[in-house]
Amino acid sequence: EVQLVESGGGLVKPGGSLRLSCAASGFTFSSYSMNWVRQAPGKGLEWVSSISSSSSYIYYADSVKGRFTISRDNAKNSLYLQMNSLRAEDTAVYYCARDMTPQQLADFDYWGQGTLVTVSS
Amino acid sequence: SSELTQDPAVSVALGQTVRITCQGDSLRSYYASWYQQKPGQAPVLVIYGKNNRPSGIPDRFSGSSSGNTASLTITGAQAEDEADYYCNSRDSSGNYVVFGGGTKLTVL
Repeated sequence: EVQLVESGGGLVKPGGSLRLSCAASGFTFSSYSMNWVRQAPGKGLEWVSSISSSSSYIYYADSVKGRFTISRDNAKNSLYLQMNSLRAEDTAVYYCARDMTPQQLADFDYWGQGTLVTVSS
Repeated sequence: SSELTQDPAVSVALGQTVRITCQGDSLRSYYASWYQQKPGQAPVLVIYGKNNRPSGIPDRFSGSSSGNTASLTITGAQAEDEADYYCNSRDSSGNYVVFGGGTKLTVL
């Protein structure tokens, strides 16, 4: 059974940092591109970042570029999101999601349960 | 990055057919995927590619595309289909992913 389990969320002050993790199981993690998607309270889905299977291709939404860093450790079946210089508008549930297509067509077939990040003083 | 536009809300009578649309320039190059999200839950992929359903998704869900518009059709809507629906695709550059703003479906 495919499982994605996020962790690392919590309350952080503006300007602070947080590192999210996503533990994957039930599939060959190293064969799939992975993504972070967030959802602010009461709002829609917003793509944050993607990383290819071998980490060769990494992309960020303009809203987080220069502040967030996506990475992965295929040996540990884990995906990460280092978030620096956090702002109130980064408050959201953060989901990790698997892209089912080798061509990274943004077909996200499995999602974690999400981890809540709250940025507030 | 480009944008995808969805109607904020749509309603359908129980057992009737409803179409939810998604518009954007990127849809001329890429198919949209569609996700269902119920309150407090993670999104679930319901349609991807030209018109493909993941395992476990009822066949009352179907997808289509024409020009810059993608559509999700629910034929014979059920009470359990009441949810938020989001489309997404790669943007025109291929480097970003874009989501539509979501459509809240009410089943009357």
